[in-house]
Amino acid sequence: KAGVTQTPRYLIKTRGQQVTLSCSPISGHRSVSWYQQTPGQGLQFLFEYFSETQRNKGNFPGRFSGRQFSNSRSEMNVSTLELGDSALYLCASSLVAAGELFFGEGSRLTVL
Amino acid sequence: GDSVTQMEGPVTLSEEAFLTINCTYTATGYPSLFWYVQYPGEGLQLLLKATKADDKGSNKGFEATYRKETTSFHLEKGSVQVSDSAVYFCALSDPSGGYQKVTFGTGTKLQVIP
Repeated sequence: KAGVTQTPRYLIKTRGQQVTLSCSPISGHRSVSWYQQTPGQGLQFLFEYFSETQRNKGNFPGRFSGRQFSNSRSEMNVSTLELGDSALYLCASSLVAAGELFFGEGSRLTVL
Repeated sequence: GDSVTQMEGPVTLSEEAFLTINCTYTATGYPSLFWYVQYPGEGLQLLLKATKADDKGSNKGFEATYRKETTSFHLEKGSVQVSDSAVYFCALSDPSGGYQKVTFGTGTKLQVIP
């Protein structure tokens, strides 16, 4: 069974640009969550989608957005990038609420 | 709101030493508790879990017991190996909201030296 796939794995952007990250969950998983991981703040919850609906959102500015498609694939977008957005962005899928999270390897974003 | 507190790292141990990583939590409902592990350059993967009080999760020689009275879920291993070097995250998930939101601790880096 294929795991969670995130693309791209690495990317470099400059301040003010925008970025779109993609996540393909495990087949059959309808819940997709996104996390930002930084050395200073640790793992912070961004948002969770289930059946194309955002069910929960963390405390991030509106520059961070996401969506989920009918095939459960998800994308997150960060607009007007800031230096502080440099982080590892992790996507995770799960079969049920409060169940085990299955993580992808992450997309490492560097903002210059 | 929900929160997880785990001991600061890094923790450096010699091979075959006993490991304890402390974790305490605060939650309004009846959460499920997890330990996740992150090896260098990888995403997180579930190490073990417990879904109700007094449950013991175990995997790969690691154990943790869900203690409701002390709101704790400490991770233990009797004899660590170099290959256990990684960052360990304690986490909780409260199912009462009907949605998936996992709260993670800050992570504890473990380094095992030969």
